[in-house]
Amino acid sequence: GENVEQHPSTLSVQEGDSAVIKCTYSDSASNYFPWYKQELGKRPQLIIDIRSNVGEKKDQRIAVTLNKTAKHFSLHITETQPEDSAVYFCAATHNNAGNMLTFGGGTRLMVKP
Amino acid sequence: DGGITQSPKYLFRKEGQNVTLSCEQNLNHDAMYWYRQDPGQGLRLIYYSQIVNDFQKGDIAEGYSVSREKKESFPLTVTSAQKNPTAFYLCASSTREAVGTDTQYFGPGTRLTVL
Repeated sequence: GENVEQHPSTLSVQEGDSAVIKCTYSDSASNYFPWYKQELGKRPQLIIDIRSNVGEKKDQRIAVTLNKTAKHFSLHITETQPEDSAVYFCAATHNNAGNMLTFGGGTRLMVKP
Repeated sequence: DGGITQSPKYLFRKEGQNVTLSCEQNLNHDAMYWYRQDPGQGLRLIYYSQIVNDFQKGDIAEGYSVSREKKESFPLTVTSAQKNPTAFYLCASSTREAVGTDTQYFGPGTRLTVL
């Protein structure tokens, strides 16, 4: 089955700096890669996703890049703000029956004002 | 994700008791999922259902059971066989436009504590 590794597990940046979170996956047939943001005690919220037919997608201060050859994808947050502080999860599909996602272990991002 | 509800928000269980967590969605989604999240950990799949009256085990199904009698509802029972049930339980749902490419939306979660 799919295995997703996420790094780093914690990340501390100064407000205004950029943050990058990286994930690798094992199943070369995976074709959908969402990123979720989870604030303490709340539900995960989808912030951006990318499908395997594109290499990059951007939405305001957030961007995701995908390298299918190397089987890794990354989340980039520019001009970080304190409200960006949360746990971020990457995920990838199983390429078998069903739409099951395999999640990375999460990255706790702390943006210091 | 506002169309997915879970109840109760907090649940306390004594050892040896079965408890059922509710998950309802009004998004007309075919697929529904249950995940478990432990402190500082990622999400692990317990069970999923792609269609009414059908469900499959996820990675950590032991000690749990589900039913899918209605499209809108996917309740999860935590049985006494689950040795360490204290966790945050998240339900999710998605459409089935194409296998492997559907966005999952999450409910607000139920925090279960075993006393």
